[in-house]
Amino acid sequence: QKEVEQNSGPLSVPEGAIASLNCTYSDRGSQSFFWYRQYSGKSPELIMFIYSNGDKEDGRFTAQLNKASQYVSLLIRDSQPSDSATYLCAVNRGADKIIFGKGTRLHILP
Amino acid sequence: DAGVTQSPTHLIKTRGQQVTLRCSPKSGHDTVSWYQQALGQGPQFIFQYYEEEERQRGNFPDRFSGHQFPNYSSELNVNALLLGDSALYLCASSFSTGVRYNEQFFGPGTRLTVL
Repeated sequence: QKEVEQNSGPLSVPEGAIASLNCTYSDRGSQSFFWYRQYSGKSPELIMFIYSNGDKEDGRFTAQLNKASQYVSLLIRDSQPSDSATYLCAVNRGADKIIFGKGTRLHILP
Repeated sequence: DAGVTQSPTHLIKTRGQQVTLRCSPKSGHDTVSWYQQALGQGPQFIFQYYEEEERQRGNFPDRFSGHQFPNYSSELNVNALLLGDSALYLCASSFSTGVRYNEQFFGPGTRLTVL
C-alpha cells in the first residue's frame, strides 16, 4: 500500500463548478497534510495545509481532513480554467520530510 | 528577494557517468531538501540537509549523495547513472524553526536525461 494515494484522473470539471480532489494516507502518525498545485513543466506550489480534523478555507479553496478515516480532500469552488493543473497531496513525516502522492490531473472545461 | 535557484536547467548524460546538481536556497532559509520527480509521478524525497549534515534520507541508493555548504547552498551528486535516473530533480528550501512544519519553497528544477 502506497503511503499517499490519489486518483490520477484526469478529472474534468465545467468552469464555475466545484472540483473535488481526494487523497488517502496510510501512516496514522502523520500530522500535517498539504495540497500542492503543479502546472505542466513547473515546480510544485503550496496552496493549502491543514493539521486538525475538519475544514480549512482559504478563498476558493477548502481543505478537509478526517484523521479517523485517513482521508484528505480539496474543494475548489467556482473553478477557473487557470485551475487546470496537477494537484499533489502530501503528508509530513517529521522534520519537513514530505511524502507526495502521484497527483490528480484536473481539467477545467471552459 | 531571489527565490530558490537551481542549475543547470537541463542536462544530458550517458549511463555510467556522474552528475552534480546545484541549489541555492531562498534568502533566510537554512534547510535544503532534494526530490526526484519521474514523469507522471509525484516528487520522491531523496534527502534533506541542515547545518551541513544529512538530517533525513528517503529510499534512495548510496549512488545519491549530497552536500550542504556554509552559505546553505547544496549539491546533489549521482554516480553511475542509470536510465531510470532520468527525471526532474527538485530542490526545496525552508527555515527550520522547530514548529510542526516549515513551508518548503521549490526551485524550478533540473531536468536530467540519461541516454
